[in-house]
Amino acid sequence: AQKITQTQPGMFVQEKEAVTLDCTYDTSDPSYGLFWYKQPSSGEMIFLIYQGSYDQQNATEGRYSLNFQKARKSANLVISASQLGDSAMYFCAMREGGDSSYKLIFGSGTRLLVRP
Amino acid sequence: EPEVTQTPSHQVTQMGQEVILRCVPISNHLYFYWYRQILGQKVEFLVSFYNNEISEKSEIFDDQFSVERPDGSNFTLKIRSTKLEDSAMYFCASRKGTSVKETQYFGPGTRLLVL
Repeated sequence: AQKITQTQPGMFVQEKEAVTLDCTYDTSDPSYGLFWYKQPSSGEMIFLIYQGSYDQQNATEGRYSLNFQKARKSANLVISASQLGDSAMYFCAMREGGDSSYKLIFGSGTRLLVRP
Repeated sequence: EPEVTQTPSHQVTQMGQEVILRCVPISNHLYFYWYRQILGQKVEFLVSFYNNEISEKSEIFDDQFSVERPDGSNFTLKIRSTKLEDSAMYFCASRKGTSVKETQYFGPGTRLLVL
């Protein structure tokens, strides 16, 4: 079974509007972390936001926020006030606390295109 | 702000040749990783490295692959005899410690093309 599922291969959003990118995960480990990375066309992986399984509040970082619904095992990324520079691939990733290597498991990504 | 660096940014090689991809992790980080991303696909874990030894490797990381930390700063990935299917972007990443909150920081990647 997929550990990280991103069901939206591509999304469009109008500039200045908000957009939600979906991510669901599957783990039996009670301690885990969820990450979102942005990959622009240049290829680098840019860390955006982190949510821990024990965090009481949803994470926020500037225009990025994470809609964490633990019971549903979802960790959707919300980008508010979209900008043209937000056009990129977005990857959701998980790290399981019981994994001593702390490796990241990635989803297949969502390509976001911001329209002017 | 400290960052992970990787060289070269692009590498073209002939099938069967050896390649070495180089990374300089963030200086006070203790955990090092290699990931790869075949064009258009998701990022896949290859290997993790801690305390001068491999802590975990994936099925992809077969005998053709090896990693080394030859000195206090560099972290290398060697592919002994490249295959066409090794063509991918290779990312190095590092993290500081063992907290589950610790973020992995990625380098800019090396794009490898095997002809």
